[in-house]
Amino acid sequence: EAGVAQSPRYKIIEKRQSVAFWCNPISGHATLYWYQQILGQGPKLLIQFQNNGVVDDSQLPKDRFSAERLKGVDSTLKIQPAKLEDSAVYLCASSLTSAPTLSYFGPGTRLTVT
Amino acid sequence: TQLLEQSPQFLSIQEGENLTVYCNSSSVFSSLQWYRQEPGEGPVLLVTVVTGGEVKKLKRLTFQFGDARKDSSLHITAAQTGDTGLYLCAAYAKGSQGNLIFGKGTKLSVKP
Repeated sequence: EAGVAQSPRYKIIEKRQSVAFWCNPISGHATLYWYQQILGQGPKLLIQFQNNGVVDDSQLPKDRFSAERLKGVDSTLKIQPAKLEDSAVYLCASSLTSAPTLSYFGPGTRLTVT
Repeated sequence: TQLLEQSPQFLSIQEGENLTVYCNSSSVFSSLQWYRQEPGEGPVLLVTVVTGGEVKKLKRLTFQFGDARKDSSLHITAAQTGDTGLYLCAAYAKGSQGNLIFGKGTKLSVKP
């Protein structure tokens, strides 16, 4: 079974630029999550989708971050404009249903904002 | 706010030694999970503990959930270099539908 796929794996941008990350969850997984992991910290949930609907985006900085999962399969997370403090690893995870259940994480995209 | 405090933050040991890492909170959780994350990879689930006082074993790893379901420990016997990684504990936020709260993790380095 293929795991959660993410791209790109690494991205370096200058502050105020825009960036987008892509995630393809495990086939058949209805729930998709985006987490932000700042160096030295554990992952923090940004947004949770159930199929193509948003379940929880309470911790998403909506003035600069946006995410979509239009067809209920893959998803994109966008940052516009980026700030220095956005430097982090952005992890995508998926699960068959919503919690409590087993989530599978992708390898992440490491973003460096200079 | 539900917080998970992990200790120690860093741990460097020699191969063959035993170690214990801790995950503590003032909140009660219905379940708690332990993950291991290697550099450049996402976290991988090791175990979920559900019942207060529960002990689960995974080869050389022993996980315990506190009686009051507020804390947990992970004990590794005879550590190997392959155990090196970031160990994260996590629990679902109260009333959430999937919001996992993570501790900051314990970064373990096992030297040959």
